[in-house]
Amino acid sequence: DTGVSQDPRHKITKRGQNVTFRCDPISEHNRLYWYRQTLGQGPEFLTYFQNEAQLEKSRLLSDRFSAERPKGSFSTLEIQRTEQGDSAMYLCASVKTSGSSGELFFGEGSRLTVL
Amino acid sequence: GNSVTQMEGPVTLSEEAFLTINCTYTATGYPSLFWYVQYPGEGLQLLLKATKADDKGSNKGFEATYRKETTSFHLEKGSVQVSDSAVYFCALIFNQAGTALIFGKGTTLSVSS
Repeated sequence: DTGVSQDPRHKITKRGQNVTFRCDPISEHNRLYWYRQTLGQGPEFLTYFQNEAQLEKSRLLSDRFSAERPKGSFSTLEIQRTEQGDSAMYLCASVKTSGSSGELFFGEGSRLTVL
Repeated sequence: GNSVTQMEGPVTLSEEAFLTINCTYTATGYPSLFWYVQYPGEGLQLLLKATKADDKGSNKGFEATYRKETTSFHLEKGSVQVSDSAVYFCALIFNQAGTALIFGKGTTLSVSS
């Protein structure tokens, strides 16, 4: 499978715990996005990377959230001191910014439930 | 700011019925417009797109035309199938580097046989 993969698919945690999600983009894609989707809403932009550089962060990304893409390949999204309001589906998408249609390819998401 | 507004669902149709899902946008420039679809248990997939005014995107029998004068990108299909049951998202992006895809809230379509 050469699509975008995310891990874990589901995570249940207690309030106050830290969680980390991983995204493996399509291998030749240089740009990687993180989105959050809650029930009944469309995906909301959190942050994106161009190669290993984090170029933009949404105001939704509080200081409890941190994302990395250390070698310009996979990325991690960490949420510290989780709150019930963090319960959502976290989506990763990747795109090749040159020589392509610019289509974003999405993973199936990591669903977080904070108890 | 830039935003996308979709008609609220759910939309419930019988097989072979005509489908329209309305989408309008607010943007400070001239974005590219997309329809993404999310089938149950699957990730978002691009359905179709249009990059400039009057362009028509089409795929799998679905069509949408980029209307600058009405800032709209309505999704249509002449004859829906049960397999079209999914959540449909309208989205926009600006073509300059460094911008993210902005989504509407999604419209759930349920087609019965």
